Amino acid sequence: GIQVEQSPPDLILQEGANSTLRCNFSDSVNNLQWFHQNPWGQLINLFYIPSGTKQNGRLSATTVATERYSLLYISSSQTTDSGVYFCAVESDYKLSFGAGTTVTVRA
Amino acid sequence: DGGITQSPKYLFRKEGQNVTLSCEQNLNHDAMYWYRQDPGQGLRLIYYSQIVNDFQKGDIAEGYSVSREKKESFPLTVTSAQKNPTAFYLCASSRQVNQPQHFGDGTRLSIL
Repeated sequence: GIQVEQSPPDLILQEGANSTLRCNFSDSVNNLQWFHQNPWGQLINLFYIPSGTKQNGRLSATTVATERYSLLYISSSQTTDSGVYFCAVESDYKLSFGAGTTVTVRA
Repeated sequence: DGGITQSPKYLFRKEGQNVTLSCEQNLNHDAMYWYRQDPGQGLRLIYYSQIVNDFQKGDIAEGYSVSREKKESFPLTVTSAQKNPTAFYLCASSRQVNQPQHFGDGTRLSIL
């Protein structure tokens, strides 16, 4: 199956800082989603982004499908951004998840 | 409000017992999915269903069973054959396969 690698595994930020999370995948995919899992376990859709760039407030994402990677940008981080960020890629009707990046934003 | 409802939030199972986790959606989505999450890891696919009365095994189907008798419902049974059932279980749905998936709030299953 498709391998999905996320980096870094852990990220500690001071409030107001910017950061970039990376997702590499091993094969062509039909689509790619970014999720945020909050401390209560809820998985929130951030982006559906098989290619190109999208922005939603302080978050933006870019996927370069031909080079098999995607980037998630967090700008002006806030404590509510803390949690685990997952990248998931779809192939053959199935989503394959990376292990996630745990982000801690300190006030 | 449209969404995906999982119940119960917490579930305890005795050794040798089957338990069923509920997943209901009112989004009129054709496709539904079950995932398992272990601590510190990503999600892994257990089963998925593209349409009513049809379902397919995912990557870790052993010890689990599902049914899809109604479009809005996709219950998951964790059988006694699943030797390590303690995990966080998440249900998802999408309009069709290859469309964005949306998740319920999950059920935490523990062994007594």
